[in-house]
Amino acid sequence: TQLLEQSPQFLSIQEGENLTVYCNSSSVFSSLQWYRQEPGEGPVLLVTVVTGGEVKKLKRLTFQFGDARKDSSLHITAAQPGDTGLYLCAGPNNAGNMLTFGGGTRLMVKP
Amino acid sequence: GAGVSQTPSNKVTEKGKYVELRCDPISGHTALYWYRQSLGQGPEFLIYFQGTGAADDSGLPNDRFFAVRPEGSVSTLKIQRTERGDSAVYLCASSLFPSGAQSVYEQYFGPGTRLTVT
Repeated sequence: TQLLEQSPQFLSIQEGENLTVYCNSSSVFSSLQWYRQEPGEGPVLLVTVVTGGEVKKLKRLTFQFGDARKDSSLHITAAQPGDTGLYLCAGPNNAGNMLTFGGGTRLMVKP
Repeated sequence: GAGVSQTPSNKVTEKGKYVELRCDPISGHTALYWYRQSLGQGPEFLIYFQGTGAADDSGLPNDRFFAVRPEGSVSTLKIQRTERGDSAVYLCASSLFPSGAQSVYEQYFGPGTRLTVT
């Protein structure tokens, strides 16, 4: 069974601060995805990383896939209140017919 | 509609009752997934449909849970003899056909149905 562990579980910071969220596994994934979920909504895909060592940037968000494709990180620069939400990492099984999700990191950015 | 829709948005039922949760996927998406998300946790896979057939139902917790997709579009998740432990948000997602050889595919999620069993 492929498991994904996210840390920290909760993060409360002030507007303007930087933060990093981690997603770790003992299993190799062909790709990892990061989702953001707001209350009452389903997860929304932010990015997919495919190649070991890959770095992708989405405005103030930087995503990195570990060289061994077992872990990933999400770094947010100068966080804003609009970044508040639940951040989830997820990886597909070998058949590509399901996603395994991490437990999520709940981020709160205070103005 | 442009996205995945789920009805009802909220469902409160008594222990022991039967419930049906509906999912309307994005038009043209052949793959449909059901997940369950308990409070404070990430979504957990329940079942995957490719067209009309359940290609993988390994995530269904027990035989009280059943899902159908008779015409390859709308899907219904059915829960018999509900228990308080079934309380969760049930998420539906759809995607284009995922291939095992394809390492990247995107699932589009609906807003979920919040089920509360009292």
